[in-house]
Amino acid sequence: KQEVTQIPAALSVPEGENLVLNCSFTDSAIYNLQWFRQDPGKGLTSLLLIQSSQREQTSGRLNASLDKSSGRSTLYIAASQPGDSATYLCAVEDDYKLSFGAGTTVTVRA
Amino acid sequence: EAGVTQFPSHSVIEKGQTVTLRCDPISGHDNLYWYRRVMGKEIKFLLHFVKESKQDESGMPNNRFLAERTGGTYSTLKVQPAELEDSGVYFCASSRRLAGGSGELFFGEGSRLTVL
Repeated sequence: KQEVTQIPAALSVPEGENLVLNCSFTDSAIYNLQWFRQDPGKGLTSLLLIQSSQREQTSGRLNASLDKSSGRSTLYIAASQPGDSATYLCAVEDDYKLSFGAGTTVTVRA
Repeated sequence: EAGVTQFPSHSVIEKGQTVTLRCDPISGHDNLYWYRRVMGKEIKFLLHFVKESKQDESGMPNNRFLAERTGGTYSTLKVQPAELEDSGVYFCASSRRLAGGSGELFFGEGSRLTVL
């Protein structure tokens, strides 16, 4: 059974600082890994999708790496802004099912 | 392009009553999924449709839950009779790819269910 862990559970940083969010998973037989953002009371917004054959994906200030053999992914957010405040969720896909971590709640202080 | 839409956004019912949640996926997305988050827990998979067929319903908690997808378009998730532990947020998601994984999933805003 796939277990996904996200560390830390919460993070508070001043504006401009870089963010590093960690995700680990127990079973390396995955199709892909996806990072989502969730704002309070809202749905999940897909940020980055990394296929199992890839090592990283980038979109603007976001960069996600994947080390499948060690069961780890890291999401980097450069030069954080108050608008980046949200909960970030990591999910791994196996056989068309996503297994989610509990999320990291980020607060960026102006 | 319209996103995944869910209705209602919030439903409050008494224990023993019936509730039906609806999801309209993105047009052209053959894959449709239901997930839910109960209080304090991670988001969990419930089931997966490919067009109108149930591909995987291994996450459905018990036979009080019934999901349908009429004509491969919108989907409904009925809970009958509802129990207190069914309270949570029910998310619907859709994706385009059929092979080699589901690809990028697009989620709706969720339907919050409160059972009193």
